[in-house]
Amino acid sequence: KAGVTQTPRYLIKTRGQQVTLSCSPISGHRSVSWYQQTPGQGLQFLFEYFSETQRNKGNFPGRFSGRQFSNSRSEMNVSTLELGDSALYLCASSSTGVTEAFFGQGTRLTVV
Amino acid sequence: EDKVVQSPLSLVVHEGDTVTLNCSYEVTNFRSLLWYKQEKKAPTFLFMLTSSGIEKKSGRLSSILDKKELFSILNITATQTGDSAIYLCAVVDAGGTSYGKLTFGQGTILTVHP
Repeated sequence: KAGVTQTPRYLIKTRGQQVTLSCSPISGHRSVSWYQQTPGQGLQFLFEYFSETQRNKGNFPGRFSGRQFSNSRSEMNVSTLELGDSALYLCASSSTGVTEAFFGQGTRLTVV
Repeated sequence: EDKVVQSPLSLVVHEGDTVTLNCSYEVTNFRSLLWYKQEKKAPTFLFMLTSSGIEKKSGRLSSILDKKELFSILNITATQTGDSAIYLCAVVDAGGTSYGKLTFGQGTILTVHP
């Protein structure tokens, strides 16, 4: 059974640009959550999608957005990048969103 | 707001030692507690605990939950250098607005020396 796949693995962007990250969940899983991990703040919840609907959202500015497609693949977009957006972005796949979640390898975003 | 506190924040041991990692939590409507191991990037799922007093085991790792005292412990016996990692504890709130949201602790950095 394939795991959670995130692309790309690494990204370097300039301040002010925008970026799109992709996550393909485990086959059959309909819930995809996104997290930001930084040394200072740890793992923080961004948002969750289930069956193409955002069900939950963390305390992040509107520059952070996402969507989910009918095949459960999800994308996360960050617009007008700031230096502080440099982080490891992880997505987690779950069958329902309230059971155990399995993480992808993450996308390391560096904003310069 | 849900809160998870792990201790110690870091731990250095030698191979063969036994370690106990602690996780205490405050959550409005508790659903479950999860443990993860993070080596390089992806946190790897270890255990999910929902009932008090029932130990979950996987090889040298075991974990137990105390819902009355609001904490969990993760034990690793006969540690190996491959156990060096960050161990993360997270809780799931049963509230209707908590779908997909894991609230994580700061993590415990475990270093096992040969």
